[in-house]
Amino acid sequence: ETGVTQSPTHLIKTRGQQVTLRCSSQSGHNTVSWYQQALGQGPQFIFQYYREEENGRGNFPPRFSGLQFPNYSSELNVNALELDDSALYLCASSQGTTGGTEAFFGQGTRLTVV
Amino acid sequence: GEDVEQSLFLSVREGDSSVINCTYTDSSSTYLYWYKQEPGAGLQLLTYIFSNMDMKQDQRLTVLLNKKDKHLSLRIADTQTGDSAIYFCAEEASKIIFGSGTRLSIRP
Repeated sequence: ETGVTQSPTHLIKTRGQQVTLRCSSQSGHNTVSWYQQALGQGPQFIFQYYREEENGRGNFPPRFSGLQFPNYSSELNVNALELDDSALYLCASSQGTTGGTEAFFGQGTRLTVV
Repeated sequence: GEDVEQSLFLSVREGDSSVINCTYTDSSSTYLYWYKQEPGAGLQLLTYIFSNMDMKQDQRLTVLLNKKDKHLSLRIADTQTGDSAIYFCAEEASKIIFGSGTRLSIRP
């Protein structure tokens, strides 16, 4: 157990809908990163939040957005869902953003878009 | 651009050593990682190496880094059935870039 919890664990949505995924970071961590892992692929970096500010973004369209709260928990929002958004969404929390800092991953939210 | 490549599958006999290889492209990477993912689980950090190191050993795990060739390997000694998983290599410069993973299966 890493202390990083994600909710919900599974979700089914219809194309065009909006979804919000949640991540509670490990105690003492101030950084949350979000990843999308399609079936059979490695995780792809979506964005990172550090102390409530976006701190880097991968190659994802603006309909992927996020928030980080004062307690450092985070949300990932996806608007106008597409079939290709079906994937495992992972969040990782860490203390700081510098390299070598161990990032602890949650179990993920499996999103299915139909 | 940034890219990390790994072979997709590796099968080894129980008790043998497993060697998983990875190549990366970003020469500015400061840290390189190995993560393990078991079915239905999130990612578990196994080990990482700083880019100015050649080797790191941690119990059954040995990481070798050839920075000139941008080649990273993970050796698991005395491979056990519990080592069956997908292993991801990742590089970090400004963000962490993962490979597609190597599925390690263990033969009796």
